[in-house]
Amino acid sequence: DTEVTQTPKHLVMGMTNKKSLKCEQHMGHRAMYWYKQKAKKPPELMFVYSYEKLSINESVPSRFSPECPNSSLLNLHLHALQPEDSALYLCASSHGPGPNQPQHFGDGTRLSIL
Amino acid sequence: QQQVKQSPQSLIVQKGGISIINCAYENTAFDYFPWYQQFPGKGPALLIAIRPDVSEKKEGRFTISFNKSAKQFSLHIMDSQPGDSATYFCAASEDNYGQNFVFGPGTRLSVLP
Repeated sequence: DTEVTQTPKHLVMGMTNKKSLKCEQHMGHRAMYWYKQKAKKPPELMFVYSYEKLSINESVPSRFSPECPNSSLLNLHLHALQPEDSALYLCASSHGPGPNQPQHFGDGTRLSIL
Repeated sequence: QQQVKQSPQSLIVQKGGISIINCAYENTAFDYFPWYQQFPGKGPALLIAIRPDVSEKKEGRFTISFNKSAKQFSLHIMDSQPGDSATYFCAASEDNYGQNFVFGPGTRLSVLP
């Protein structure tokens, strides 16, 4: 079992809905990440949090809003999504924000936008 | 410059054979090269990683070979098993942007019983 836990595993929502994805790790990692992965494609980085502060935002549309309430939790708030936002959303964590840190992934939330 | 190229796109190997996946990069500032294995419905799992000061790293049946001058690295899976059937991604990151992994497009490996 992965040490990065994501909930829910599946989510179907309409374009006007507001929902949140949750990610939790208890490895003491201080860097956490959100990725988006389309079918048969590699993960694409969306956001990075280092020590609970947003350090990287890869020009993600504002309908995606990340939040890091504490060092173990990472949320992704969703609002007014588009059908093209349907994808697997992966959370990852690493020991620290420094270089050459392996990232440990959760199993993702499969998101479908109707 | 930020791209990591990966080949082949798909690979079919007989059980017991050797699977070889190749990656190439342009950015000479890259200095960390992990490989990830992803099964359907699962997140990517770290398989093995290497830094450019090492030419080869072996963990069990998995070996990374690294050619710094050619800016290429490869994953060799010895004695391939049906359970190795998955998608494999190479990745790279550079010292100053260690959090930003650049992933290759992936290789779908099928190991036939």
